[in-house]
Amino acid sequence: SQQGEEDPQALSIQEGENATMNCSYKTSINNLQWYRQNSGRGLVHLILIRSNEREKHSGRLRVTLDTSKKSSSLLITASRAADTASYFCATDVGSSNTGKLIFGQGTTLQVKP
Amino acid sequence: NAGVMQNPRHLVRRRGQEARLRCSPMKGHSHVYWYRQLPEEGLKFMVYLQKENIIDESGMPKERFSAEFPKEGPSILRIQQVVRGDSAAYFCASSPYAGVYGYTFGSGTRLTIV
Repeated sequence: SQQGEEDPQALSIQEGENATMNCSYKTSINNLQWYRQNSGRGLVHLILIRSNEREKHSGRLRVTLDTSKKSSSLLITASRAADTASYFCATDVGSSNTGKLIFGQGTTLQVKP
Repeated sequence: NAGVMQNPRHLVRRRGQEARLRCSPMKGHSHVYWYRQLPEEGLKFMVYLQKENIIDESGMPKERFSAEFPKEGPSILRIQQVVRGDSAAYFCASSPYAGVYGYTFGSGTRLTIV
């Protein structure tokens, strides 16, 4: 398996429901980041969680990090149709803290109105 | 603040031609990263540059690909003698500090080789 694998690959929910996406990785990290990509567009940074942090919130987003299990989850609460996008986790694994990121394959989220 | 500007948005080249992709980072950002995205896949790191320096090019193919970030002007990703397999979306991202904040991405250049 690759560094930064998301699960599930695709997720379809109704507006108002919560969406949970998971990310697993293999090596030790400096930080883990989540990005959103709308079809045909660039990525938008959502949240960064450092290796010594366990949970972070930003609006309707909640990210957890379990370094013992090498996994992270992204929870979007009270989803909206506008949340429809692909979501990627990315790990910063550089020993020299270069900021180089390794991206997973992404989870495609569809929120039905 | 105009964000990260990439141009062109779409580029079509014939096999064997050269492709030049440009990226202007956000104002105040001196760290630039290039990534490539194939259809239905995640982004793959190519190169990390600071002004006038290549810091990490471990993701760059050994031949035909080069990148620069001159003292003045945008960062350039150059692909010589393009082949069909170079067709992809190329994204540039910038950051004020390496490894501290998330990136700001540009909208990408979609390169199509015919």
